[in-house]
Amino acid sequence: GENVEQHPSTLSVQEGDSAVIKCTYSDSASNYFPWYKQELGKRPQLIIDIRSNVGEKKDQRIAVTLNKTAKHFSLHITETQPEDSAVYFCAASQGGKLIFGQGTELSVKP
Amino acid sequence: DSGVTQTPKHLITATGQRVTLRCSPRSGDLSVYWYQQSLDQGLQFLIQYYNGEERAKGNILERFSAQQFPDLHSELNLSSLELGDSALYFCASSPGGGSVSGYTFGSGTRLTVV
Repeated sequence: GENVEQHPSTLSVQEGDSAVIKCTYSDSASNYFPWYKQELGKRPQLIIDIRSNVGEKKDQRIAVTLNKTAKHFSLHITETQPEDSAVYFCAASQGGKLIFGQGTELSVKP
Repeated sequence: DSGVTQTPKHLITATGQRVTLRCSPRSGDLSVYWYQQSLDQGLQFLIQYYNGEERAKGNILERFSAQQFPDLHSELNLSSLELGDSALYFCASSPGGGSVSGYTFGSGTRLTVV
């Protein structure tokens, strides 16, 4: 089945810096790659997603890139703010269900 | 409010007991997914139902079972509970069996086994 690896597990940046989180997946048939943000004790919330027929997608300060050949995708957050501090999960779709990476705890220091 | 409703929000029970977690999907969604999130762990896929039928199974223990009813709500039954079953249990819903766009999570049920 699908396996999703996510790195790094923790990331600390200064406010205003950029943050990059990377994921790799194993199943070349996966075709949908969402990213979720989870604040402490709350539900994961979708922040951006990308389909396999697209190489890059942007939404304000957030962007996702996908390299199908290498089977990896990345989340880029620019101009980070303290409210970006949370755990971020990548996921890959396998047969209609999402398999998640282990998460990255992002800390943005003022 | 995501539109996915989970009850109860918190549950404390003793080892060996059985509990039932409930999930009502977002209006119009036919698929329900259950995930377990233990402390410092990611989201582990348990099981998926689509329009009343089991569609996919993940690492779900034999002590756990689920079903989806005709009104599309789903229940996750956990029996012979162990301390290690303490976790946040999330359900999510999406419109169709083969498409995961619009995958929305509920607020979760925090289960504590003592």
